[in-house]
Amino acid sequence: GENVEQHPSTLSVQEGDSAVIKCTYSDSASNYFPWYKQELGKGPQLIIDIRSNVGEKKDQRIAVTLNKTAKHFSLHITETQPEDSAVYFCAARGANNLFFGTGTRLTVIP
Amino acid sequence: EADIYQTPRYLVIGTGKKITLECSQTMGHDKMYWYQQDPGMELHLIHYSYGVNSTEKGDLSSESTVSRIRTEHFPLTLESARPSHTSQYLCASSKQGARGYTFGSGTRLTVV
Repeated sequence: GENVEQHPSTLSVQEGDSAVIKCTYSDSASNYFPWYKQELGKGPQLIIDIRSNVGEKKDQRIAVTLNKTAKHFSLHITETQPEDSAVYFCAARGANNLFFGTGTRLTVIP
Repeated sequence: EADIYQTPRYLVIGTGKKITLECSQTMGHDKMYWYQQDPGMELHLIHYSYGVNSTEKGDLSSESTVSRIRTEHFPLTLESARPSHTSQYLCASSKQGARGYTFGSGTRLTVV
């Protein structure tokens, strides 16, 4: 089955700086890669996703890049704000289900 | 707002008690999932269902059981709760053919 690795597990940045979270996956057949944000006391919420036929996707301060050859994808958050502080999960879609990374706790320091 | 609801949000219960965690969605999604989230954040799939009367065990072995009698309802039951069951339980759903999941807000279970 699919195996998704996520790094780093914790990340602290100063407000206004950029944050980058990286994931690798094992199954070359995976074709969908979403990112979820989980705030304290809530369930994960989809923030951005990318399909395998696209190399990059942006939505305001958030962008995701995908390198299918290397089997890795990354989340980039620019101009970070305190409300970006949360746990972020990457995922890759295998044959039927999503496989999640182990999560990154992002702290934005005001 | 996600139309998937979990109750209760918090539950403290004694060892040996039987409990049922409720999960309902109003989106008509075929697929539903239960995840156990440990304090280290990681999500572990414990059960999933692809439709009515379909249930499968996930990657993480769990003493819980699930049922899917109605499309919108996917309850999780622990017959005899133990302290090792203390965790956050997240329910999610997705539509057949869709790629992403919609998560509920979770139930934080504490067994004392």
